[in-house]
Amino acid sequence: GIQVEQSPPDLILQEGANSTLRCNFSDSVNNLQWFHQNPWGQLINLFYIPSGTKQNGRLSATTVATERYSLLYISSSQTTDSGVYFCAVERGFGNEKLTFGTGTRLTIIP
Amino acid sequence: GAVVSQHPSRVICKSGTSVKIECRSLDFQATTMFWYRQFPKQSLMLMATSNEGSKATYEQGVEKDKFLINHASLTLSTLTVTSAHPEDSSFYICSAAGQTQHGYTFGSGTRLTVV
Repeated sequence: GIQVEQSPPDLILQEGANSTLRCNFSDSVNNLQWFHQNPWGQLINLFYIPSGTKQNGRLSATTVATERYSLLYISSSQTTDSGVYFCAVERGFGNEKLTFGTGTRLTIIP
Repeated sequence: GAVVSQHPSRVICKSGTSVKIECRSLDFQATTMFWYRQFPKQSLMLMATSNEGSKATYEQGVEKDKFLINHASLTLSTLTVTSAHPEDSSFYICSAAGQTQHGYTFGSGTRLTVV
């Protein structure tokens, strides 16, 4: 099956700093999503981004499908950004298996 | 749109009993729902794919007789952990595909503790 690796596994930053999280995948995909899992376990859908670039406030994401990677940028980090960030990919178009990456645990220190 | 509701959010049960977890799509119809399991500090692993009106498809290594899945309607899928044991304690989360441009939406998860 498809392999999804995220880096770094852990990241500790001071409030206000910027960060870049990376997601590499081993095969072509038709769906890629970035999620933030909060301390209560809820998965918040950040971006649906199988290709191209999107921005939403302090967050933006870029997927280069031909090179099989995606990047999540967080600017001016806040303590509420702490949690685990997952990317997940799907090879088909809906109703197929969504494979999750290994995750990046982000801790923002006040 | 694309809201998925999951209940209960937390359950503690005695070893040997069964626990049912519900996953509902509130504002859309989901012919397919997915059940994941997450151990502490690990990623989400797909357990099974729930298909409305037919049998679920289980991932390799998942016991179908222990984790019973029923998808009786286009808005409801249930996962029943039968004869639960402490090693079944975990975080269970369901998802469904909403509108294509939004991808998959996840329920809020259920933290199961078997004592």
